[in-house]
Amino acid sequence: EAQVTQNPRYLITVTGKKLTVTCSQNMNHEYMSWYRQDPGLGLRQIYYSMNVEVTDKGDVPEGYKVSRKEKRNFPLILESPSPNQTSLYFCASSRLFMNTEAFFGQGTRLTVV
Amino acid sequence: TQLLEQSPQFLSIQEGENLTVYCNSSSVFSSLQWYRQEPGEGPVLLVTVVTGGEVKKLKRLTFQFGDARKDSSLHITAAQPGDTGLYLCAGARDNYGQNFVFGPGTRLSVLP
Repeated sequence: EAQVTQNPRYLITVTGKKLTVTCSQNMNHEYMSWYRQDPGLGLRQIYYSMNVEVTDKGDVPEGYKVSRKEKRNFPLILESPSPNQTSLYFCASSRLFMNTEAFFGQGTRLTVV
Repeated sequence: TQLLEQSPQFLSIQEGENLTVYCNSSSVFSSLQWYRQEPGEGPVLLVTVVTGGEVKKLKRLTFQFGDARKDSSLHITAAQPGDTGLYLCAGARDNYGQNFVFGPGTRLSVLP
C-alpha cells in the first residue's frame, strides 16, 4: 500500500530535550516536505526537499532541522524543543511533476512542556 | 508573501443542504488545490484547478477557479454527514505546481 509513515504519532517531551520525528514514504517520490498545523493558521511549511541531499527552508524553519540522506526518509529534528513548537506535524511526499498530488502522513502530535 | 484566506471559518449545516466555501487571495496562483482533512488524518487531495475560470466536478462537489486565478470556490450539493471535515485550499507558489501555500481551512459539520 502506498503510504507516508510518521513516527511517533504522539509525543510529550520537555523543553530542551532533542527529538526526532521520522518520515518514510514507499512511493519513490522525489519531493518531501514538513508542515506544522496550528488552529486558525492552517498548514505552514517548515522545510522541503526536492531530492536526496537537497533541502530548503519553508516558511517557519526556525528551531528545526532536516536531512535527506535517502530518497524514502526525511526526518524532522528539534535540537532544543520549546513550548511554542507544540503543534501537529505532517510529513508529505509527491512526485516532481507539475501540479502533482501531495500524499500526507497521519500526523505527529507533539507537546513540549 | 502569498496568503490565502478561507471563509467561512466554521460551517454547521443539516444533511441535504447546499453550501459554498471560498478561498481568496490578492496573489495570482499558477494552480490551486483543494484538500479534505478528517480528524486524526492527514489532508487528502480532492482536486487541482489550473486554468482561470475552470470548473471541475467530483460527484456532489463543484470546484471553480476564478478568472484571474486569485480565488476559488467549493460548492457542495445535498451535503451528507460523510462530507464533514476540514477543507483546505492550497495555492502553488511556483510555476511548476510543486510548492504550495495553504489557507487556514473551513471546518464543515454536516448534521444528520
